[in-house]
Amino acid sequence: NAGVTQTPKFRILKIGQSMTLQCTQDMNHNYMYWYRQDPGMGLKLIYYSVGAGITDKGEVPNGYNVSRSTTEDFPLRLELAAPSQTSVYFCASSSGALGTNEKLFFGSGTQLSVL
Amino acid sequence: TQLLEQSPQFLSIQEGENLTVYCNSSSVFSSLQWYRQEPGEGPVLLVTVVTGGEVKKLKRLTFQFGDARKDSSLHITAAQPGDTGLYLCISGGYQKVTFGTGTKLQVIP
Repeated sequence: NAGVTQTPKFRILKIGQSMTLQCTQDMNHNYMYWYRQDPGMGLKLIYYSVGAGITDKGEVPNGYNVSRSTTEDFPLRLELAAPSQTSVYFCASSSGALGTNEKLFFGSGTQLSVL
Repeated sequence: TQLLEQSPQFLSIQEGENLTVYCNSSSVFSSLQWYRQEPGEGPVLLVTVVTGGEVKKLKRLTFQFGDARKDSSLHITAAQPGDTGLYLCISGGYQKVTFGTGTKLQVIP
């Protein structure tokens, strides 16, 4: 069972470089999310999507962009990497809004360092 | 924006001790979930609470949802080293999910 797959697992960027973090889920989930987690902290929502073609900003969207052309894929784009974007990034999905019968499925994370 | 405050932020205890972690909000939760995250992994769901006053048990873990649905607690009895991790409460609902600030637990053998 693949679940939520994130690539790459690790990446080091220089200031000003760009990159795309890939996220794919094979559970036909409508809801997908991108979070960042700074050391020892909880998760902050960057962007989310409730279905193909629909995206919206979370708490900390500045410096990031997303797209959702298919149900399966939800890539996160960093255009001009900055040291403040050094973090661990998690992609997650759910079949619907959280409640009794819904839960978040997480990828294993991407550790990004911007130097 | 709904804020979820967790306390304590860090907790280091000896194996066999009991502990309680709290999750509080100024707003009413539509539902609340608790997740545990182990180092190098994504969070994994422990429990979902929906009804005010609800109590759920998962082996040595007891989860309580406040009557007014603005707070929740997680109590661990006789903590084990395997309980070590980051505990997160999450409020869900239409379109958006809000994470708590997290409680980092270390259980020392």
